Amino acid sequence: AQKITQTQPGMFVQEKEAVTLDCTYDTSDQSYGLFWYKQPSSGEMIFLIYQGSYDEQNATEGRYSLNFQKARKSANLVISASQLGDSAMYFCAIRGYGQNFVFGPGTRLSVLP
Amino acid sequence: DAGVTQSPTHLIKTRGQQVTLRCSPKSGHDTVSWYQQALGQGPQFIFQYYEEEERQRGNFPDRFSGHQFPNYSSELNVNALLLGDSALYLCASSPGLADSYEQYFGPGTRLTVT
Repeated sequence: AQKITQTQPGMFVQEKEAVTLDCTYDTSDQSYGLFWYKQPSSGEMIFLIYQGSYDEQNATEGRYSLNFQKARKSANLVISASQLGDSAMYFCAIRGYGQNFVFGPGTRLSVLP
Repeated sequence: DAGVTQSPTHLIKTRGQQVTLRCSPKSGHDTVSWYQQALGQGPQFIFQYYEEEERQRGNFPDRFSGHQFPNYSSELNVNALLLGDSALYLCASSPGLADSYEQYFGPGTRLTVT
């Protein structure tokens, strides 16, 4: 069974500063993917970034980067230069090969002006 | 290029009733997954459809059933509604069954059971 833990129910960050959202995972699979999704108040899940378990380099997508530490089973999301529009729920998820997504409980990020 | 669409947007039902939610996948996608997201929680996987068959199922009772049509669109049916079924129901589509990580979500249907 796979599990995602997000220990930060809520986070605050000042506009233009960087913020790290924590995610740890548990899986017995050798091949898996780690994902971060953003969910604004509208409800739609927006894909942000993906990291494969065999990828040696940390994934980056614009202002988003994933700090992948495989030995620690950690996949933290780093958002640089926060914007007011970044205020939302953020979900970490894991997907084993041929399996479906398992999501964590989420972190609510609030960006302060 | 239309993304994943879902209907209706909102729905209010009474305990014991039945409900049908609909999903059209993103163009080029043939696999549809359904998720239930209770308030304040992450989405939970209900089931996945590919080639008009249920391929995987999460830990949900038989009251939850689905269907996929030849055009890849899908329906989620819930019978004998309970108050605890109140949630945001998300549909996600992907191109293929197993090895693609690409999954796009629709805006969801918010179901309220009174």
